[in-house]
Order: sequence, then structure tokens, then C-alpha cells
Amino acid sequence: DVKVTQSSRYLVKRTGEKVFLECVQDMDHENMFWYRQDPGLGLRLIYFSYDVKMKEKGDIPEGYSVSREKKERFSLILESASTNQTSMYLCASRNPGTGYNEQFFGPGTRLTVL
Amino acid sequence: GEDVEQSLFLSVREGDSSVINCTYTDSSSTYLYWYKQEPGAGLQLLTYIFSNMDMKQDQRLTVLLNKKDKHLSLRIADTQTGDSAIYFCAETATSGTYKYIFGTGTRLKVLA
Repeated sequence: DVKVTQSSRYLVKRTGEKVFLECVQDMDHENMFWYRQDPGLGLRLIYFSYDVKMKEKGDIPEGYSVSREKKERFSLILESASTNQTSMYLCASRNPGTGYNEQFFGPGTRLTVL
Repeated sequence: GEDVEQSLFLSVREGDSSVINCTYTDSSSTYLYWYKQEPGAGLQLLTYIFSNMDMKQDQRLTVLLNKKDKHLSLRIADTQTGDSAIYFCAETATSGTYKYIFGTGTRLKVLA
């Protein structure tokens, strides 16, 4: 069974802290994504990685960075957390051009920044 | 720019049909999806439709696509309390892009 896991389901951090959100997929997928989900706004793409050490900015990259040193792992970094980064963060992966281009999602990390 | 719109809430009685609607603007979309998000969970693909199709049926789910009006709908027959969730429509092209455009999500509440 396809699986995407995220390191934490809930996280509480203080303003100014450096925050790491980890995502691991076991499907040997090339592409991985980080989204944030906010009520009434749907999912917005933060960063995308099309292969190891390759990344592209999404629609809202400001305040975030990413790291993909291994194919299965994609990390989202908040260099200095702020209260407006309180949100649900969703990781996804896919193999491009296969089947119907489905993305597989992790369970999400609900981050609260105080 | 590209946009996908959905109504935010829908409430139905158990056993009735639910219809969740979505409009999109990108005419180059090739795949359109319906994802379900249960409370506290990630998104799970429910069904998808290829843009050269008008309709797709999968057990209790019926997807209708009107390309002329850029309108996508998901009908859930015999809605159950376990169908209570947020439903997202999304679109993408077949290749050459990583871009998925998601709707705002429709929160379906099923009343017993």
C-alpha cells in the first residue's frame, strides 16, 4: 500500500523558532510537494521537488525553504516561525506521467505558532 | 489566472443524494479529481475524470463534466454519515507540469 508519512501530527512552536517538518514516502516517487491548507483558501503550493536536490518555488514560498537530500524524504523548513504560519501542512508525492497523475497525501501536520 | 471554485458548505440528510459542484477556469486541464479529507487526515483520492469524458460512475459516486461551462460535479448517492468530510476538486494537465489547482473545499455534513 502506498504510504506518505509526516513526522508530527501536531506541533506547537514559538515565534522566531526554526521549525522542521519532515515527510517520507515509500513509493520511490520522483516528485514531492509541500502545501499549506487554510480554511476557505484550499491548498496552496509552497514548494515542489521534481527530483533529489531539485526544487521549485510554488505559489507561496516566502518564509519557507526545503531540502531533499534523498529521494524518499522532503523537508520543509520555517527559518523563523511567525504566527501567520499557523496552518495545516500537507505533503504529497507522485510519479509524473504515470496512470492519472495522482498525488498521494500524508496525514498532515497541524502547526501552531504562538 | 487559474482558479477553481466550490461552495463552502453542504448539508444533507442521511439516505439523500449529495451534489457537490466545482467550476474551473483553466481550459487546458486534462485530469480533474475529487479528493476527500476526513477530520484530522490528509487528502484521499475518491475519483478522477479525464477531460475527454462527460461522465464517470463508480459505485455510489457519479462525476459529471461539462467542458463548455467548465463545471464539474460529484454526486454521492445514498449519503451516509461516514461521507461527512471536506471534498476538494482539483485539476491538472497530463504532463509537463507539476501544477495542481485545488478548490477551496466543500464541507459536507450528513444529518442522521
